[in-house]
Amino acid sequence: QQQVKQSPQSLIVQKGGISIINCAYENTAFDYFPWYQQFPGKGPALLIAIRPDVSEKKEGRFTISFNKSAKQFSLHIMDSQPGDSATYFCAASPNTGGFKTIFGAGTRLFVKA
Amino acid sequence: NAGVTQTPKFRVLKTGQSMTLLCAQDMNHEYMYWYRQDPGMGLRLIHYSVGEGTTAKGEVPDGYNVSRLKKQNFLLGLESAAPSQTSVYFCASSYSGRRGELFFGEGSRLTVL
Repeated sequence: QQQVKQSPQSLIVQKGGISIINCAYENTAFDYFPWYQQFPGKGPALLIAIRPDVSEKKEGRFTISFNKSAKQFSLHIMDSQPGDSATYFCAASPNTGGFKTIFGAGTRLFVKA
Repeated sequence: NAGVTQTPKFRVLKTGQSMTLLCAQDMNHEYMYWYRQDPGMGLRLIHYSVGEGTTAKGEVPDGYNVSRLKKQNFLLGLESAAPSQTSVYFCASSYSGRRGELFFGEGSRLTVL
């Protein structure tokens, strides 16, 4: 049972384009929604995160959009660059139950130069 | 400032052998976690700890044991390795006040023949 569903599995975007990755969750106890970026051979690193009391958070070229009623959130990468080519994971962390952060399956992004 | 360090980085085992993965963090974080990463399945939580001397089960705990005798170290043990445990293992830590913000090591690639 996958508590956080992520799509697409892979994504190819032209340089300068917009990359969009979507996630959906079921557990309403989740109250923190981070995105992690992982380069080959490295561990994931926190990219940006949002709490459900806001609908959008922007940091540079990266924006999270959050729809609490639909239990969905998405990552938008504006002006995508070849250096953004990596695997992206959405995740969700609950406010109870032992602090388990649950990850989506990941999206492999390739930005063509 | 090393952050989260995992040893060893690579290991090949035969079915039935045992081994221990060591994770060390120098950020004085209270929480520590072990995840495994498999293609198409994202990161799945094996065990976690919310403080020295405590451990708890995650999503996929079977076949693994953990110990946290010191705050800075979190050990993951395989008593009798199986081919299904071939994976990349990641250790992570977090500060109690920002529990969803995980700091990951660079991973340990384990192959069980």
